[in-house]
Amino acid sequence: NAGVTQTPKFQVLKTGQSMTLQCAQDMNHEYMSWYRQDPGMGLRLIHYSVGAGITDQGEVPNGYNVSRSTTEDFPLRLLSAAPSQTSVYFCASSPRQFSYEQYFGPGTRLTVT
Amino acid sequence: GQSLEQPSEVTAVEGAIVQINCTYQTSGFYGLSWYQQHDGGAPTFLSYNALDGLEETGRFSSFLSRSDSYGYLLLQELQMKDSASYFCAVKVDSSNTGKLIFGQGTTLQVKP
Repeated sequence: NAGVTQTPKFQVLKTGQSMTLQCAQDMNHEYMSWYRQDPGMGLRLIHYSVGAGITDQGEVPNGYNVSRSTTEDFPLRLLSAAPSQTSVYFCASSPRQFSYEQYFGPGTRLTVT
Repeated sequence: GQSLEQPSEVTAVEGAIVQINCTYQTSGFYGLSWYQQHDGGAPTFLSYNALDGLEETGRFSSFLSRSDSYGYLLLQELQMKDSASYFCAVKVDSSNTGKLIFGQGTTLQVKP
């Protein structure tokens, strides 16, 4: 049971480039979410999903797209990277009935130059 | 708007008791969770309060007062490994979407 996995661990992008951060979970959790963490800012919700085919925006969705074609996978796409998107990105999942207890992946450290 | 307030830093000595407070002002409230994070690693779930009162899990306890929009995490018999950041998070949606809003975190330093 791998839990929540994220790839890549580290990434450097140039301004304007696009990329996809991968997230997968093997616990059959309905709920998945993406957060970004900046120094002193805590965790801010970008997008979330309550099941395959259903996504919604969180607190800071601008500049990011998501899709959920399967229960297991929830990729995050940066459309045109900006230096303001330099951050650590965490993916999380939880069972629907225990949505207050989220399991986090190890994070992706993204730098945009 | 949504806001959660926590102290930015707390320092305590090994073996002591420390309390980390969290006050919240959110559009909805359906429970308060606490998470621990070591050195930028993955946050891990500690506890959850949906109703008023104290929940105890080993050395950690969490308290909630919905009338005061306030909760706290209590860590007893502090150990060096408890040095970490602690986040409170409010569940803001009743429909089990899992939507949590996090506070900015409290850095706990445990000294020998």
